[in-house]
Amino acid sequence: QKEVEQNSGPLSVPEGAIASLNCTYSDRGSQSFFWYRQYSGKSPELIMFIYSNGDKEDGRFTAQLNKASQYVSLLIRDSQPSDSATYLCAPRSGNTPLVFGKGTRLSVIA
Amino acid sequence: GAVVSQHPSWVICKSGTSVKIECRSLDFQATTMFWYRQFPKQSLMLMATSNEGSKATYEQGVEKDKFLINHASLTLSTLTVTSAHPEDSSFYICSARGWEQGNEQFFGPGTRLTVL
Repeated sequence: QKEVEQNSGPLSVPEGAIASLNCTYSDRGSQSFFWYRQYSGKSPELIMFIYSNGDKEDGRFTAQLNKASQYVSLLIRDSQPSDSATYLCAPRSGNTPLVFGKGTRLSVIA
Repeated sequence: GAVVSQHPSWVICKSGTSVKIECRSLDFQATTMFWYRQFPKQSLMLMATSNEGSKATYEQGVEKDKFLINHASLTLSTLTVTSAHPEDSSFYICSARGWEQGNEQFFGPGTRLTVL
């Protein structure tokens, strides 16, 4: 059974700091890794995805992937109160549907 | 582009009644649609996957006779919760994927179901 582990938090960071969100997964066949943000009462929205080992940057967000360690992370630079949400990690193999971790709740304190 | 809508956005019903939730892809053809359920403070749990014109594939533990899924066209899928009970109260979210959009799944805004 595919498992996705995330620290449920809450992770509290001060405004302007770097927030680091981590995710480990069990399926070694996972090829792509998605990060979603979900505000309370809303559906998830895609932040970014990564396929290759290493770092991928998109604005204030950086995804990091280490397939050997089965680990993917999301860094949020210059965190803002509007970044306060639950962040969901979703590895995927091939064309399979996204299977989500429980998510990490981030709280950015102004 | 790649917008997915759901209707209704919320619904309250009495125990024992059936509720239908619609999921539409507004600007693309959704060859595959997914239905998720999310309980408070829990993650999204995949309920079923449906391909247009085919029967849905249900995840383990999801009763196919209780959660009826129809994907009769490339822009519409429906989820019917039959004989709903309070334990079915949840946030139901659909997601759609089309050939032109590659492998990306686009999510609808969700439907909050409350069964009294």
